[in-house]
Amino acid sequence: AQSVTQPDIHITVSEGASLELRCNYSYGATPYLFWYVQSPGQGLQLLLKYFSGDTLVQGIKGFEAEFKRSQSSFNLRKPSVHWSDAAEYFCAVGPTGGGNKLTFGTGTQLKVEL
Amino acid sequence: DAGVIQSPRHEVTEMGQEVTLRCKPISGHNSLFWYRQTMMRGLELLIYFNNNVPIDDSGMPEDRFSAKMPNASFSTLKIQPSEPRDSAVYFCASRGGQIYGYTFGSGTRLTVV
Repeated sequence: AQSVTQPDIHITVSEGASLELRCNYSYGATPYLFWYVQSPGQGLQLLLKYFSGDTLVQGIKGFEAEFKRSQSSFNLRKPSVHWSDAAEYFCAVGPTGGGNKLTFGTGTQLKVEL
Repeated sequence: DAGVIQSPRHEVTEMGQEVTLRCKPISGHNSLFWYRQTMMRGLELLIYFNNNVPIDDSGMPEDRFSAKMPNASFSTLKIQPSEPRDSAVYFCASRGGQIYGYTFGSGTRLTVV
């Protein structure tokens, strides 16, 4: 069964600092990987996704993520965090071949200090 | 496009009452998903539909929960009778055939007192 681990429940960074949110997955083959962001009272918004090809993927709002097969990781990064990035971030994994079920991690709550 | 539309945004009901949550997916999307989000359990997939047909309802907690998708533009999630432990945010999401990432609605916050 596929699973996702986000080891950091809360992270606090200063505005302007760099950010890395960790995500590890468990899946028998190369999965489809996603990062979503959820602002308070809102639904989840897709930041970026990896299907195949270049292992460094660019997303919206200046985020990027790198797929590392050897480490079963898909960490999210941003070089300079803005106060508006404070939100909860979810990593998700789905099966290749167009299957439907996404499995979400438990989320990382990001706080940005001004 | 208006995105995935859920109604109501908030619902407060008394234990034992029937609750119906509604979802309008993005036009042209052929898959629809119902998720439940709680602090304790995170995001749980309850059920999903492909082309209006329920494919996997293994996440539905119990028989009190039921979901329908009578056509491509509308789905309902019903809880009857509701219980306080059903209090959560319920999200609907849809997916187009060539776009694997889901698009989520803004959710319905359900409180059962």
